[in-house]
Amino acid sequence: GAGVSQSPRYKVAKRGQDVALRCDPISGHVSLFWYQQALGQGPEFLTYFQNEAQLDKSGLPSDRFFAERPEGSVSTLKIQRTQQEDSAVYLCASGTPNSYEQYFGPGTRLTVT
Amino acid sequence: DAKTTQPPSMDCAEGRAANLPCNHSTISGNEYVYWYRQIHSQGPQYIIHGLKNNETNEMASLIITEDRKSSTLILPHATLRDTAVYYCIVRVATGGTSYGKLTFGQGTILTVHP
Repeated sequence: GAGVSQSPRYKVAKRGQDVALRCDPISGHVSLFWYQQALGQGPEFLTYFQNEAQLDKSGLPSDRFFAERPEGSVSTLKIQRTQQEDSAVYLCASGTPNSYEQYFGPGTRLTVT
Repeated sequence: DAKTTQPPSMDCAEGRAANLPCNHSTISGNEYVYWYRQIHSQGPQYIIHGLKNNETNEMASLIITEDRKSSTLILPHATLRDTAVYYCIVRVATGGTSYGKLTFGQGTILTVHP
């Protein structure tokens, strides 16, 4: 079956631009996570949704980062006024609350110039 | 979640067993050991997890010491496609109010060579 998909796969933004990254989770998956992965590092947690409710946004690095999942399915991570330090791969994962496994998408590589 | 320590890199010959160690000396009684791997340009992939008993699935085996302070992931017959970064993660079980975000460390870069 279809896995987690993310779009775009690559995004180049000029510093100061706003970007929107999309995640399509596996159908029926209640839980959705966003992670940020800097070059050469492991992924770091950004935020978590259960259905449409954002239950944890403790990992968002600044108020320029905003995530939503209005209908409990597709999620969008928005970064306003991008900075060079925002350059990273943004990973989305989905699962079910009682599942031991998270299913990751391929990620969106964001480069801010 | 407890902190884990892994060697930064390891090599393995194709067809041989790859044994990846992980230390988690501060693990709590309700925390599981999870292993994920990340092949270049892909998202992480779940491999296996365990609490205190050894576990085996179609991908790998997980050996957890009796005191639970360390574990070893075993890929019994490594192939070139197993070249990846392997992450050992400790976290509480999912379920109830626990939703199970993953805390990744630096992982071990496993290189399988011909």
